Amino acid sequence: EAGVAQSPRYKIIEKRQSVAFWCNPISGHATLYWYQQILGQGPKLLIQFQNNGVVDDSQLPKDRFSAERLKGVDSTLKIQPAKLEDSAVYLCATNLYNEQFFGPGTRLTVL
Amino acid sequence: AQSVAQPEDQVNVAEGNPLTVKCTYSVSGNPYLFWYVQYPNRGLQFLLKYITGDNLVKGSYGFEAEFNKSQTSFHLKKPSALVSDSALYFCAVRDVEGDNAGNMLTFGGGTRLMVKP
Repeated sequence: EAGVAQSPRYKIIEKRQSVAFWCNPISGHATLYWYQQILGQGPKLLIQFQNNGVVDDSQLPKDRFSAERLKGVDSTLKIQPAKLEDSAVYLCATNLYNEQFFGPGTRLTVL
Repeated sequence: AQSVAQPEDQVNVAEGNPLTVKCTYSVSGNPYLFWYVQYPNRGLQFLLKYITGDNLVKGSYGFEAEFNKSQTSFHLKKPSALVSDSALYFCAVRDVEGDNAGNMLTFGGGTRLMVKP
């Protein structure tokens, strides 16, 4: 079974620029999450989707972050404009039977 | 609100010795508890989970964890450590029936395990 795919794996941008991350979940997994993992910390949930609907986005900084999951499959997370403190690994995960499966993440560096 | 504490930033153990990575949690309802491992430049990999039933849970790569409700702990253990076990370990909790019930996982800050030959 294929895992959660994410791209790009690495991204370097300057502050105030925009960036987008893409996630392709495991087929058939209805629940999708985006996490932010700052170096030296545990992952923090940004947003949770159930199919193409948002379940929880209470931790998403909505003034600069946005996410969508069109057709309930792939998802994109966007940051516009980026700040230095957005430097982190952005992890996508899906859920099945109380187990979350994580993608390899996108490492974002904001200069 | 649910929370997880991993009191040790790093655990050092010699190969062949038993290891323990500590985790305590706080939820308003009943918890589902998880351990994940993260190798460099890779995503989190699931190790084991406690949902209900036997307090001793066995998982991947010889790891096990013991759920202790009175101490609100879920320590990760392995009888004999391998050098290849060296990685970052995360404990996570999901509140099943409390105020924050849902699918949301809250992670601890992680513990780096170093196994020396």
